[in-house]
Amino acid sequence: GQQLNQSPQSMFIQEGEDVSMNCTSSSIFNTWLWYKQDPGEGPVLLIALYKAGELTSNGRLTAQFGITRKDSFLNISASIPSDVGIYFCAGRGGTSYGKLTFGQGTILTVHP
Amino acid sequence: EAQVTQNPRYLITVTGKKLTVTCSQNMNHEYMSWYRQDPGLGLRQIYYSMNVEVTDKGDVPEGYKVSRKEKRNFPLILESPSPNQTSLYFCASSLSGGNQPQHFGDGTRLSIL
Repeated sequence: GQQLNQSPQSMFIQEGEDVSMNCTSSSIFNTWLWYKQDPGEGPVLLIALYKAGELTSNGRLTAQFGITRKDSFLNISASIPSDVGIYFCAGRGGTSYGKLTFGQGTILTVHP
Repeated sequence: EAQVTQNPRYLITVTGKKLTVTCSQNMNHEYMSWYRQDPGLGLRQIYYSMNVEVTDKGDVPEGYKVSRKEKRNFPLILESPSPNQTSLYFCASSLSGGNQPQHFGDGTRLSIL
């Protein structure tokens, strides 16, 4: 099946710093989604991207759908302690509207 | 309150003993899906359903069965569980298709001894 490579695997940053993480695919995706998972809970959608080149913001979060349709990045500006969690990218490719592939996740730790 | 409800939240059982994890959503969503989450592997899709009586395999369907007899329910069945199915399982639903934002349940942690 399709594979997504997400990096970095983990990040340790100071409060106030900016964060960047990205996902790359071996094949073209038609949709990119970014999720955050808090401990003991299910993932929650942060940003959805539907067109190549699209740049979308949600508060301090900004994500982009790569022009090649094989990558996406998520930036978090001015991090705060509640940004701690696992961030996942997810993509939908091909003709199946039901199949969704997730990246391995980026574990974010923010030191006050 | 709009939600996806999974039961049980935790289960320890033994190899070969059939089990069912239930999933129910109250948002009248057409699309439902099951994932397993393992350390370092992210979430991997097991099965999904675009609508009632329509189910398809995800990336890791082996050893699992699903059914979608009614819109709100999408149970995951392990006919003969094995230790490699020990994992954290999530059910999710969305209005239609994987494109739409998915609402996730709180997860079911299964341990197969």
